[in-house]
Amino acid sequence: DVKVTQSSRYLVKRTGEKVFLECVQDMDHENMFWYRQDPGLGLRLIYFSYDVKMKEKGDIPEGYSVSREKKERFSLILESASTNQTSMYLCASRKVDTHYYGYTFGSGTRLTVV
Amino acid sequence: GDSVTQMEGPVTLSEEAFLTINCTYTATGYPSLFWYVQYPGEGLQLLLKATKADDKGSNKGFEATYRKETTSFHLEKGSVQVSDSAVYFCAPQGSGGYQKVTFGTGTKLQVIP
Repeated sequence: DVKVTQSSRYLVKRTGEKVFLECVQDMDHENMFWYRQDPGLGLRLIYFSYDVKMKEKGDIPEGYSVSREKKERFSLILESASTNQTSMYLCASRKVDTHYYGYTFGSGTRLTVV
Repeated sequence: GDSVTQMEGPVTLSEEAFLTINCTYTATGYPSLFWYVQYPGEGLQLLLKATKADDKGSNKGFEATYRKETTSFHLEKGSVQVSDSAVYFCAPQGSGGYQKVTFGTGTKLQVIP
């Protein structure tokens, strides 16, 4: 089975800290995505990457950046954490060759900024 | 861009009741259609999919039929169980490697014994 592994299930950080959320997938998927999930708002796309070293802004990129230096790893960076970035963060990957494949998600990282 | 409308939740059903969660979408071209499920404290999992008109996706007793004429992909299950309590997301996905998936807001299902 394809696995998408997020480095932490729960994380507590202080306001102003630089935060790194790591995501690794083991099936050579080209596309990778970061979403945040908040009650009543569903999933909102922060950034995505079509392939290694590529990145595109999603719907809510402000306050975030990403890095994809290797195909299997997609990192989300909160440059200066703020309380409004308290959320569940979900990483996903997808194989490109056809649209018959859905996303494979990680288990999520619940981030609390205090 | 693509958009999805799902019925508002939460939906509360008794065990063994019939479930329908409505989903309609707008998309360019002929997307594949997916339902994902999210159990408490977990990420999303692919539940079922349909890749062309009139296809029926099925898994774990859930079914959904790709209705191109009504742009709908309603999720159904004949007899729900307590273990089906989760949030369900409808998601159309266009073809090609540069397509993002648009998720609905999710419908929370609670099944009571």
